[in-house]
Order: sequence, then C-alpha cells, then structure tokens
Amino acid sequence: KQEVTQIPAALSVPEGENLVLNCSFTDSAIYNLQWFRQDPGKGLTSLLLIQSSQREQTSGRLNASLDKSSGRSTLYIAASQPGDSATYLCAVEGGKLIFGQGTELSVKP
Amino acid sequence: GAVVSQHPSRVICKSGTSVKIECRSLDFQATTMFWYRQFPKQSLMLMATSNEGSKATYEQGVEKDKFLINHASLTLSTLTVTSAHPEDSSFYICSARDRVRGNSGANVLTFGAGSRLTVL
Repeated sequence: KQEVTQIPAALSVPEGENLVLNCSFTDSAIYNLQWFRQDPGKGLTSLLLIQSSQREQTSGRLNASLDKSSGRSTLYIAASQPGDSATYLCAVEGGKLIFGQGTELSVKP
Repeated sequence: GAVVSQHPSRVICKSGTSVKIECRSLDFQATTMFWYRQFPKQSLMLMATSNEGSKATYEQGVEKDKFLINHASLTLSTLTVTSAHPEDSSFYICSARDRVRGNSGANVLTFGAGSRLTVL
C-alpha cells in the first residue's frame, strides 16, 4: 500500500528565504508525482507534475525534483513571498492519486 | 483549460438527512472521477473511484451504503451522503480524468473547488 509522507508538517520563514519541502513515498512504481497548493478552505491548485521518467520540473520560482528509486521528491521555492503562504501537498499516482499530509507554509513579511 | 465544477460549494443540513454533491467536467469527458474527503488540518483521503457506467470502487473503510456514488454520464458523477451525521461533516473534493488526454500517460486530473458539508 502506497504511503506518502511530507516533512516538515509546518514551516515558518521570513520573506525572501529559499526553502525546501520534502516528500517521500514507499512504492516506487508510480506514473508521476505532483505538487499542489491549497489555500485555507479552498480546493487544490496544481503546481508541478513530474512524470516517472523525469528528474525535475520548473515553473517560475518553483523547482520540483524526483528520485523515483529512493522514493523522494523535493519542492524548492526560491525567494519566498507572503503570497506563497499555503499548504503544499505532494501526491503520487500509480493508478490513483495518493496524497501526503501536507506542509503548512507561512512566509512572514 | 479543463474545468471541473462542484456543486454545492457549501451545504448545511440536519442530522439524518441525505445530501447530494455533484461533480461535472465542463469541457471534457471523464471516464474516471475520484472522490476525496478532507478533515480540518488533514490531507485528502481517497474515498472511491467512480467509473462511468459501472459501480464505484471504494477504499477500505469507506461505507458504500453511506456514500453512494453514481457516474451516469461522461461528464457527471454524484456523491450522496445518506443519513448524514455530524461526524460526516467534512470537505469533499472530486477530481476527473480527461478521457482523451488521459490516454497519453500524463496525469490530467482536474480538481473541483470542493464542497463543505456541515451536519448539525
């Protein structure tokens, strides 16, 4: 059974810092890994999707990496801004999408 | 881009009543839709996979008689919470997979905005 774990559960940083969110998964037989953003009381916004054959994806200040063999992914956020404050979820798909518990990020002005 | 509409966005009901939540793919056909539940400060938990024209596949621990799922067309899946109780209060989110683009192997799951259910 696939299990997805995210570390840390919560993170508070001053504006401008670069930061890394971690995601690990137990079953490496995945099709892809996806990072989402969720604002309080809202639905999901897809940030980046990495296919199982890829190593990383970039979008603006976001960079996500995938090491399928070790079951790890990181989301790097450069020059963080208060608007980045949200919960970040990673999810892996091997037929169905399984989510981690999320990292609640707070960027202080 | 692909859009999934969920309705209602918020619903408050009395204990014992049934509530129906709709999930519609607006500009694409979805052979598969997924229903998730999210409790406060927790992640999304997959409840069931809904396939058009066939019975839904429920995850372990999810009561199929309580959470009725119907996927009658390629653009609509419904989740009915029967005889709702306060412990069913939660945020329910659906997602849909594009029938055409999904065959490319890329994940083209599109999520609805969610439905917040409060059972008094």
